[in-house]
Amino acid sequence: EPEVTQTPSHQVTQMGQEVILRCVPISNHLYFYWYRQILGQKVEFLVSFYNNEISEKSEIFDDQFSVERPDGSNFTLKIRSTKLEDSAMYFCASSEDTEETQYFGPGTRLLVL
Amino acid sequence: DAKTTQPPSMDCAEGRAANLPCNHSTISGNEYVYWYRQIHSQGPQYIIHGLKNNETNEMASLIITEDRKSSTLILPHATLRDTAVYYCIVRGRMDSSYKLIFGSGTRLLVRP
Repeated sequence: EPEVTQTPSHQVTQMGQEVILRCVPISNHLYFYWYRQILGQKVEFLVSFYNNEISEKSEIFDDQFSVERPDGSNFTLKIRSTKLEDSAMYFCASSEDTEETQYFGPGTRLLVL
Repeated sequence: DAKTTQPPSMDCAEGRAANLPCNHSTISGNEYVYWYRQIHSQGPQYIIHGLKNNETNEMASLIITEDRKSSTLILPHATLRDTAVYYCIVRGRMDSSYKLIFGSGTRLLVRP
């Protein structure tokens, strides 16, 4: 069964460093999403992406964040200068269409020291 | 904010049915009820969704009341691996927003 994959599974970085989280969505899906979950808190929407453009973003998704589809298979989330409060699980999701079910990857655990 | 209300926790015995309730009294006519679950800190796993008819798949059954103000997710024979947080999410198919809004969910503990 097709699934969303994410790399790395764990990332440790120093405050102020840039990180790139990678996702491979399900192959025929056209809509891509990033969510995050700070330890012990709810899953929060960050951004959605379609046709090489951001469709929607939350207040959390400020200028420190960017997304890109650098090729036909990868979808990335970049955090330019990490802060301690960026420590969280980051989940990628994809769907065939905006009206269809979103399927999530296993997540990347980011720890900012 | 989430449009649903769920009990914070439930438990059931292994092999028995787990019935997880969800209230969504403000649901509108074109909004679907989705269920996801999250095991430990893994990615949310899609379970099932429905509009107004009851639905069943290999994982679970979804019973939606006639007025659509509440629903119940049924895991017919719960196993220890079903221990997870279960999220009930209301989402319109014609929403201008693409995002899923997660609440706190129900933490289900399956006892041996």
